[in-house]
Amino acid sequence: KQEVTQIPAALSVPEGENLVLNCSFTDSAIYNLQWFRQDPGKGLTSLLLIQSSQREQTSGRLNASLDKSSGRSTLYIAASQPGDSATYLCAVMGGSYIPTFGRGTSLIVHP
Amino acid sequence: EAEVAQSPRYKITEKSQAVAFWCDPISGHATLYWYRQILGQGPELLVQFQDESVVDDSQLPKDRFSAERLKGVDSTLKIQPAELGDSAMYLCASSTAGGPSTDTQYFGPGTRLTVL
Repeated sequence: KQEVTQIPAALSVPEGENLVLNCSFTDSAIYNLQWFRQDPGKGLTSLLLIQSSQREQTSGRLNASLDKSSGRSTLYIAASQPGDSATYLCAVMGGSYIPTFGRGTSLIVHP
Repeated sequence: EAEVAQSPRYKITEKSQAVAFWCDPISGHATLYWYRQILGQGPELLVQFQDESVVDDSQLPKDRFSAERLKGVDSTLKIQPAELGDSAMYLCASSTAGGPSTDTQYFGPGTRLTVL
């Protein structure tokens, strides 16, 4: 059974810092990995999707990398802003075409 | 921009009562997911549909939960009877099913269920 772990569970940083959020998964037979953002009490917003054949994807200040063989992905946030405060979740689409989520990293960026 | 619609947004019920949630996916999306998210945890897949067919419902507590997508468009998730432990956010998502490598999930706003 696929297991997804996100480290750290929580992070509090001053505005302007560059951040790295980590996601690891136990079964490397995946189709894709997707990063989401969730604001309190809200649904999830898709940030980036990396196909299993890709190494990274970029969108604005966000860059996500994927090392499928080692079962790891990182989400890099450049020049963090208070508006980036949210919970960040990663989800892997496994070989059975069933998505599995991590528990998320709760991020606070303070002015 | 097209969105996944869910209703109600909030539901408070007493244990042993029946509750139902509704989801309308983005037009043209063949795959529909129902998730349960307990506070502080990631979403847990309850059921996945491809058009009107169930792809996976291995985590759905079938003694009290049921889900249907009769015409392959909108979907209903029902709980009967509700238990205290069912208090959670229920999320619906849809995707195009264009291929597992590129399939992006789009989520609705969720339904917050509180069982008293």
